[in-house]
Amino acid sequence: AQSVTQLGSHVSVSEGALVLLRCNYSSSVPPYLFWYVQYPNQGLQLLLKYTTGATLVKGINGFEAEFKKSETSFHLTKPSAHMSDAAEYFCAVSDSGAGSYQLTFGKGTKLSVIP
Amino acid sequence: KAGVTQTPRYLIKTRGQQVTLSCSPISGHRSVSWYQQTPGQGLQFLFEYFSETQRNKGNFPGRFSGRQFSNSRSEMNVSTLELGDSALYLCASSVEGQTKYGYTFGSGTRLTVV
Repeated sequence: AQSVTQLGSHVSVSEGALVLLRCNYSSSVPPYLFWYVQYPNQGLQLLLKYTTGATLVKGINGFEAEFKKSETSFHLTKPSAHMSDAAEYFCAVSDSGAGSYQLTFGKGTKLSVIP
Repeated sequence: KAGVTQTPRYLIKTRGQQVTLSCSPISGHRSVSWYQQTPGQGLQFLFEYFSETQRNKGNFPGRFSGRQFSNSRSEMNVSTLELGDSALYLCASSVEGQTKYGYTFGSGTRLTVV
């Protein structure tokens, strides 16, 4: 069974500082990996995903993540935090290949940005 | 184009009652998935439908059921509500349902059971 661990349920950064949200996964085969963001009272929005190919993935709003198979990690980064980045971030994993219709999510990391 | 529409946005029900939630996917999307979000358990997969067929089901009791109509709209039903069913229920749509193409989520229905 797959699982996702997000280190830190709450992360605070200053505006303009580096954002680093950590995600480690457990899977018997290389999975597909995703980061979603959730703003208050809203659904989830896809930030970026890794399926195949380049291990450094760029997403929306200046975020990027790197798939490191040896470390079973998919950490999310952004060079400079903006107030609008304050939200909850979820890392998710699914089986790779055809026939994968289910996401397994981590518990989420709430990001606060201090002015 | 219009996003994923979930109705109603908020719902209050009494323990023991049943409830039906609705999800209209993005036009052209034939797959609809449902997820339950609670503070304790986080986001958990309920089920996924494609062309009116349930292809995958999460680990939830039989009180949770769903269906999909020919126009791809989907409903989920929870019977004999329990206090623990209080949650945000999220619907996600995609063209074919495969995770690698990403999902578009609705804003959810917040169910409170009293």
